[in-house]
Amino acid sequence: GAGVSQSPRYKVAKRGQDVALRCDPISGHVSLFWYQQALGQGPEFLTYFQNEAQLDKSGLPSDRFFAERPEGSVSTLKIQRTQQEDSAVYLCASSVIAGGPLGSGELFFGEGSRLTVL
Amino acid sequence: KQEVTQIPAALSVPEGENLVLNCSFTDSAIYNLQWFRQDPGKGLTSLLLIQSSQREQTSGRLNASLDKSSGRSTLYIAASQPGDSATYLCAVREETSGSRLTFGEGTQLTVNP
Repeated sequence: GAGVSQSPRYKVAKRGQDVALRCDPISGHVSLFWYQQALGQGPEFLTYFQNEAQLDKSGLPSDRFFAERPEGSVSTLKIQRTQQEDSAVYLCASSVIAGGPLGSGELFFGEGSRLTVL
Repeated sequence: KQEVTQIPAALSVPEGENLVLNCSFTDSAIYNLQWFRQDPGKGLTSLLLIQSSQREQTSGRLNASLDKSSGRSTLYIAASQPGDSATYLCAVREETSGSRLTFGEGTQLTVNP
């Protein structure tokens, strides 16, 4: 597609429910990132994929958070047994390559999925 | 741990003013720095990307500079317009943290007609 697409845009969950958030990156983009943005804050890194490989998941706040990208394109962020502190906007971003010394690594973001846990 | 600070947190100016947004970072070992714009309820739109070897980048009325050794970047907006009202975020990609970006908390800009 033309841009990074995320769904659902809005999700309300009762505490304890499981949720799944989907990201469809720009076609051909190798790298995919998930970020969490609390109200009034900058985004915080959660996890990073290069193709189907999850190369960095150090930002996931607990073992209730799980992300996958099985075919190297669409990714799903799953949150089990949601808590109120999980309420945030979850942003997905993609780039052609990761960057580093050989590439620009410019990131393109989707519009986010706003999760509210009651 | 890298920390990114943006000053001011909020800024309100009349239309037509030139303005400067500031970003500082504590660890100068970065690959690049990126400025984003975020409208309410929306995702982030990339404005400018400066590689660590570059000093500045320009796009239209926007100019971003980078002083890597002192850990500073500025975003200059010329002849501001009400449509520039948004939150502006800077983010750095470090040499030692792989591919993650570390973001500041943003500057909320309001340009009044």
